[in-house]
Amino acid sequence: GENVEQHPSTLSVQEGDSAVIKCTYSDSASNYFPWYKQELGKGPQLIIDIRSNVGEKKDQRIAVTLNKTAKHFSLHITETQPEDSAVYFCAASKRGNTPLVFGKGTRLSVIA
Amino acid sequence: NAGVTQTPKFRVLKTGQSMTLLCAQDMNHEYMYWYRQDPGMGLRLIHYSVGEGTTAKGEVPDGYNVSRLKKQNFLLGLESAAPSQTSVYFCASRGDVRNQPQHFGDGTRLSIL
Repeated sequence: GENVEQHPSTLSVQEGDSAVIKCTYSDSASNYFPWYKQELGKGPQLIIDIRSNVGEKKDQRIAVTLNKTAKHFSLHITETQPEDSAVYFCAASKRGNTPLVFGKGTRLSVIA
Repeated sequence: NAGVTQTPKFRVLKTGQSMTLLCAQDMNHEYMYWYRQDPGMGLRLIHYSVGEGTTAKGEVPDGYNVSRLKKQNFLLGLESAAPSQTSVYFCASRGDVRNQPQHFGDGTRLSIL
């Protein structure tokens, strides 16, 4: 089955700097890659997603890139702010009804 | 907009007790999921459902049962709780259009003594 590895497990950045979180997946049939943000005491919320027919997607300060050949995808957050501090999860799934497989998460701390 | 609602939010059980966690969604979603979240382990799928009356096993199904008698509700049962089931449980749902995002509830924190 699919296996998703996520790095780093913790990340601290200064406010205004960029943050990058990387994930690799094992199943070449996976074609959908969402990123979720989880704030303390809340459930994960989708922040951006990318499909395998696209190499990059951007939404304001966040962007995701996908390298299908290498089977890895990354989340980029620019101009980080304290409210970006949270746990971020990557995930992957195949076409159809296959459930998402999640990475183990990255705890991002933005230091003011 | 209620979205996905989980009840209860917190519960403490003794080993061997049983309980049911309820998940309700008001988005008419076909798919529903139960996950557990443990420190350093991310989100692990327990069971899921692809429609009313259906259930399927996920990655860590042992010790849990589920039922989806109504489309809007997905119940997770622990028949005989064990300390290893101490965790935060999340329910999620999504529509049946391919690659729609999952919407999560805010979790149930369950402690088993």
